[in-house]
Amino acid sequence: EIVMTQSPGTLSLSPGERATLSCRASHSISTNLAWYQHKPGQAPRLLIYAASFRATDIPPRFSGSGSGTEFTLTIDVVQSEDFAVYYCLQYNKWPPKTFGQGTRVEI
Amino acid sequence: EVQLVESGGGLVQPGGSLRLSCVASGFTFSTHGMSWVRQIAGKGLEWVSTINGGGDATYYADSVKGRFTISKDNSKNTLYLEMDTLRTEDTAFYYCVRDDWRPLDYWGQGALVTVSS
Repeated sequence: EIVMTQSPGTLSLSPGERATLSCRASHSISTNLAWYQHKPGQAPRLLIYAASFRATDIPPRFSGSGSGTEFTLTIDVVQSEDFAVYYCLQYNKWPPKTFGQGTRVEI
Repeated sequence: EVQLVESGGGLVQPGGSLRLSCVASGFTFSTHGMSWVRQIAGKGLEWVSTINGGGDATYYADSVKGRFTISKDNSKNTLYLEMDTLRTEDTAFYYCVRDDWRPLDYWGQGALVTVSS
C-alpha cells in the first residue's frame, strides 16, 4: 500500500496570503496524484488531477506541481471561501487508492 | 449537470446489514466507473470500493473485503453498496463518487451510516 503524508497538519493564514500544501508518497506515483477540497457539510470537490491539471471550473489561483514522491498544492491569494480541509489522493497503484490525512487551512 | 443522490443510510446494530443506493444523472452512467468513499466523523477520507463502467470488475479496501459488495444497475443509473456484518468502526458518512480517468471527479452529498447497539 502506498502511504500518503501531508504537511502541515494545519495552516493558519490571512486572506490575501499564499498557501503552500505538501504531499509525500511512500513510493513513486509518477503524476497520478489528485487534490480535493472539503468544507464542513459539503461534498468534497476535485481541484487538481494528474498532479497539475485543474478540474472543471476551478479558479486559476489553485495550482499543483510535482512528480514521483513530492507534490505541492499552491493557493495564490487565499480567499475566505478557500478555508477548508485539503486532501491528496494517489491513484497510481491501486487497490487501494490512498488519501493523505489532510491539511486544514484556517484563518 | 452531474448529480449523485445517495439514500439508504441509517442506524443499524453491530452485525447487521444495510444497502446504500446512489442514483446518477447528467452523464452516461454505463460508461463510467463509480466508487464509494467514506469519512469517519472527525477523521479523513477513506476509499472503500470501485466498480468499472460495465459492472464486471470490482475492487475493495481490505477493511471491507468480504463484507461489502458494490454493484451497479446501468438500466436504472443506480450504484449500490451492500454492507453486511457491520462493525462500529464502519460508522461514517458514505459518499457516492464518479470515478474515471479524472479520479473521483463528482461526489454526492453523502449518506450517514451509524452502527451502534
